[in-house]
Amino acid sequence: KNQVEQSPQSLIILEGKNCTLQCNYTVSPFSNLRWYKQDTGRGPVSLTIMTFSENTKSNGRYTATLDADTKQSSLHITASQLSDSASYICVVSARSGNTPLVFGKGTRLSVIA
Amino acid sequence: DAGVIQSPRHEVTEMGQEVTLRCKPISGHNSLFWYRQTMMRGLELLIYFNNNVPIDDSGMPEDRFSAKMPNASFSTLKIQPSEPRDSAVYFCASSLERNTGELFFGEGSRLTVL
Repeated sequence: KNQVEQSPQSLIILEGKNCTLQCNYTVSPFSNLRWYKQDTGRGPVSLTIMTFSENTKSNGRYTATLDADTKQSSLHITASQLSDSASYICVVSARSGNTPLVFGKGTRLSVIA
Repeated sequence: DAGVIQSPRHEVTEMGQEVTLRCKPISGHNSLFWYRQTMMRGLELLIYFNNNVPIDDSGMPEDRFSAKMPNASFSTLKIQPSEPRDSAVYFCASSLERNTGELFFGEGSRLTVL
């Protein structure tokens, strides 16, 4: 069964600290993996996309990694800011099938001063 | 482009009433998705359309839910009759490519059924 598991479920960190969010998946055949950021009361917005051949990709203070062998991805946030407080959702795409997108339940990050 | 537009943003209704949620996708996108989000279950796919044709509606909870896409610029999700357990945030999203494309979400419609 295609599944995406995220950990931790929630996280509280101090402003300026770093953190890492995890995503494990069993989706096959794999096409790509996206991390979305969802601010409270808003729709999710794509942060980054990882394809099979990519190991690391950065977008400002956000760095995503992908290990296609172990089917794991991480999202590392450097020097966190209060505005990073949001839910981060991992979404894995399959290359075929009628329902190609599999969503994780997200990690709720709270950055406090 | 204004992005994906959903209406209403908030809806409070009584059990048994009909609810209609509306969505205008981004112009040129050929895939449209309806999701439901709750704290317990996260984002769940209800149905998606490709070129206005429903492709997968296996996520639609039961016959009380129906969705239509009469043209490329408009879709509706209807719940009739509504029940308290339908209370959730309903998101519409559109994409250029159904399998691998980035999803562009609307701001959501928060539904409360009393």
